[in-house]
Amino acid sequence: SQTIHQWPATLVQPVGSPLSLECTVEGTSNPNLYWYRQAAGRGLQLLFYSVGIGQISSEVPQNLSASRPQDRQFILSSKKLLLSDSGFYLCAWGRETGTSGSHEQYFGPGTRLTVT
Amino acid sequence: GQQLNQSPQSMFIQEGEDVSMNCTSSSIFNTWLWYKQDPGEGPVLLIALYKAGELTSNGRLTAQFGITRKDSFLNISASIPSDVGIYFCAGQPSSPRNKLVFGAGTILRVKS
Repeated sequence: SQTIHQWPATLVQPVGSPLSLECTVEGTSNPNLYWYRQAAGRGLQLLFYSVGIGQISSEVPQNLSASRPQDRQFILSSKKLLLSDSGFYLCAWGRETGTSGSHEQYFGPGTRLTVT
Repeated sequence: GQQLNQSPQSMFIQEGEDVSMNCTSSSIFNTWLWYKQDPGEGPVLLIALYKAGELTSNGRLTAQFGITRKDSFLNISASIPSDVGIYFCAGQPSSPRNKLVFGAGTILRVKS
């Protein structure tokens, strides 16, 4: 079975400090990978997605970046955090099912980031 | 861009009540998904719907893929306290196929 890990679980960082959040997936190969941000316990905002190693698509211009150095590893980074970067960051992996190319996504446990 | 309108935004439930929520869109979707998120955790996939008109159950949960492919609903029967949380609908568009469109969520709370 597939599992998805994120770390750290919580993080408190000062404004202007760097950021690195990591996501790894087990039990599947060549997954699509996604980073979402959730503010105030509501909607999910897609930040980045990747269909393969080194392939990153950015959805929202911001001071964050993403990288995929290995097939099942996805990293979210920032050189200098802003207060507005606080939120709940979710990694997800996606797959097509055998039913007419339907697509499903499965989420990790999330990282709670507080920028002070 | 494509958007999903999810309603209600929030609701209070009493134990034993049935709960209904729905999502609508002006666009058609190939797949509808329903997720539940507990506080401080990632969303968990509850039900996936693949065909227009499909009705699928998962325990006390029942969801339907609208015949027009532009809507879906989720029903929870005989609610229990652990049903509280945020429920999200998500639709898979025809293009791009590997990205989902999410509703804003329905917050379920217990009536005290």
